[in-house]
Amino acid sequence: KNEVEQSPQNLTAQEGEFITINCSYSVGISALHWLQQHPGGGIVSLFMLSSGKKKHGRLIATINIQEKHSSLHITASHPRDSAVYICAVRSGGRDDKIIFGKGTRLHILP
Amino acid sequence: SQTIHQWPATLVQPVGSPLSLECTVEGTSNPNLYWYRQAAGRGLQLLFYSVGIGQISSEVPQNLSASRPQDRQFILSSKKLLLSDSGFYLCAWSGGFADTQYFGPGTRLTVL
Repeated sequence: KNEVEQSPQNLTAQEGEFITINCSYSVGISALHWLQQHPGGGIVSLFMLSSGKKKHGRLIATINIQEKHSSLHITASHPRDSAVYICAVRSGGRDDKIIFGKGTRLHILP
Repeated sequence: SQTIHQWPATLVQPVGSPLSLECTVEGTSNPNLYWYRQAAGRGLQLLFYSVGIGQISSEVPQNLSASRPQDRQFILSSKKLLLSDSGFYLCAWSGGFADTQYFGPGTRLTVL
């Protein structure tokens, strides 16, 4: 079992829909990152979370440390939101490492 | 503001040839630097990270190596490329381990 699991793996939705992408992890973490990778390969860091909730424009990220779960929400989705969304956790501590989920491929139809 | 550069953007190399990918960061001092690889159909994999000049930590065994000759320069190398080295290589920087990582534009390497 992967230490970071994302769901769904693929998601197709209509423009305007509310999108939720989930990330569950099984290790203790010091921080969780949500990344966006566009079809050309470029990666943009969206959020870095250690607790609570962050909002940036139409994007909202939440994390529940007790449940080891994070969600990325997109409100009023748009075709330009089509990308791969990647969850990554930093384990911290003596065995400090970054563990990536396999990504969620999102396709928003106009 | 900080910027991160990678070159080349694309590279096609024969098996057995050497490799050198370069990453430079501007606008920050003493960053943590990272090399990632993304193979086709797979997630990101951290290859190396560096907390300072000459300090390199390897996450996975492979035929690749990394060096940090200057504070804001990170180089990924190989003496002899394998077919399995094909992939998309990304460099990133952060202020600290728990900080947001900022990625470069990436280098797409094809080994034939």
